[in-house]
Amino acid sequence: QVQLVQSGAEMKKPGDAVKVSCKASGYTFTDYYIHWLRQAPGRGFQWLGWINPDRGGTKSGRDFQDRIRMTRDTSSGTAYMELTGLRSDDTAVYFCARDVRQFLFDPWGQGTLVTVSS
Amino acid sequence: SYGLIQAPSVSVAPGQTAKIICTRDNIGTTGVHWYQQKPGQAPMLVISFDTDRPSNIPERFSGSASGTTATLTISRVEAGDEADYYCQVWAGSSDLPAVFGGGTKLTVL
Repeated sequence: QVQLVQSGAEMKKPGDAVKVSCKASGYTFTDYYIHWLRQAPGRGFQWLGWINPDRGGTKSGRDFQDRIRMTRDTSSGTAYMELTGLRSDDTAVYFCARDVRQFLFDPWGQGTLVTVSS
Repeated sequence: SYGLIQAPSVSVAPGQTAKIICTRDNIGTTGVHWYQQKPGQAPMLVISFDTDRPSNIPERFSGSASGTTATLTISRVEAGDEADYYCQVWAGSSDLPAVFGGGTKLTVL
C-alpha cells in the first residue's frame, strides 16, 4: 500500500538545524509531488513547501524561504526537509504528504516531533 | 482577511448524525477536502473535492457544499469516529497554496 514513513523525533537547541526524512513506498516516487507541513501544539496546520521528486524543483512558503531546504534521493524514494535557524516557535510535528491532485494530500507520513528548547 | 472557519467542537450521541461545517471567507474556488486526525496520528483523507469519498472510507461519511459552506456529514456515528476534523482548500496562491480550517473536535457522547 502507499505509505510515507518519516524519521524519528528530534530535540534541538535554538539556532540549530534539523533534517527530517520521508521514505515513500507503494507507488512510483517521481510521479507525485511531496509537500511538507507542520502542526504546532494546539495550533492548526501550516504549509511549508513542496518538492517535485522527478526534477527536484522546490517551492516554499514566504515565511520559510530563507530557512528551508527540500531535497530528494530518487534511488531510495526518500524526500528530505531541512529547517535551519531553529527557534522555540518551530516546535511542532512535521509531516510530509503526497500531493495526488491540486494540493490534495494523501497519504501523510506519521509525523516527526521536533522540539526546540535551550 | 481570508480563511476557512470551523466551529471548535461538535458533540453527538452514538448512532446519531454529525454535521461538521466549514465556511470559506474569501478563499479558493476549488473543492474542499476533509481530513480526520485522531490523537497522535497523521491526518487521513475522508472526503475530497466536496463530495468524493475514498474507497477505504465508510459510506457513513459524506460531503456536500453550497455557496461558501462545505459540510462533512457522518451518519450513524460510532465511538471510533471521535477525532479532530479539518477542512482544507487549494487557495490558488503560490506563497500559501494550502489553507486549513482550525479544526472541529467531534466528541461522541
